Amino acid sequence: GNSVTQMEGPVTLSEEAFLTINCTYTATGYPSLFWYVQYPGEGLQLLLKATKADDKGSNKGFEATYRKETTSFHLEKGSVQVSDSAVYFCALKAAGNKLTFGGGTRVLVKP
Amino acid sequence: ETGVTQTPRHLVMGMTNKKSLKCEQHLGHNAMYWYKQSAKKPLELMFVYSLEERVENNSVPSRFSPECPNSSHLFLHLHTLQPEDSALYLCASSQDTGQGQETQYFGPGTRLLVL
Repeated sequence: GNSVTQMEGPVTLSEEAFLTINCTYTATGYPSLFWYVQYPGEGLQLLLKATKADDKGSNKGFEATYRKETTSFHLEKGSVQVSDSAVYFCALKAAGNKLTFGGGTRVLVKP
Repeated sequence: ETGVTQTPRHLVMGMTNKKSLKCEQHLGHNAMYWYKQSAKKPLELMFVYSLEERVENNSVPSRFSPECPNSSHLFLHLHTLQPEDSALYLCASSQDTGQGQETQYFGPGTRLLVL
């Protein structure tokens, strides 16, 4: 079956530091890949997505590249801010409606 | 209202109560979803409705009963819940084209506490 593995948090870093959250997946076929973010007390918001190999999704300074050869979709941001403190979820969607999520990575950015 | 809304945002209920969670999407989508988010567990898909028909039910106990009266509204009826059912219940919607690439948009969730 399909699965998504994310690095466990929490990830604690200082403002303006470089952030990487690793995500690897197992899926049949050619899934679409997503990163969602959940700020404290809120639901999930789509951060970015990529629908085919070598696509790069980007939004709000975050980027992730769909790497089929390594089955990965790592999330990166060059300079984080306190407001980026949240839980980040990697997810995949293969054929059908089901979205498979990773366990989430909590990120805490300190001033 | 825009996007996906959920009411109530917070709910406390006893194990013998009956309550309902409501979700409304204002995006013109044709598919809606219920997810359960418990502490320290991955998000769990509970139900999927596409074109108002239930297309997926992931072995959810019968004390959870979904209802989708039209493409914009989704309910989750709760009765005789257990304390372990306490969680954040998230609703989502998408435009199901059968291509497998549709983005799901989430509501803010209902934080449920069962005493």
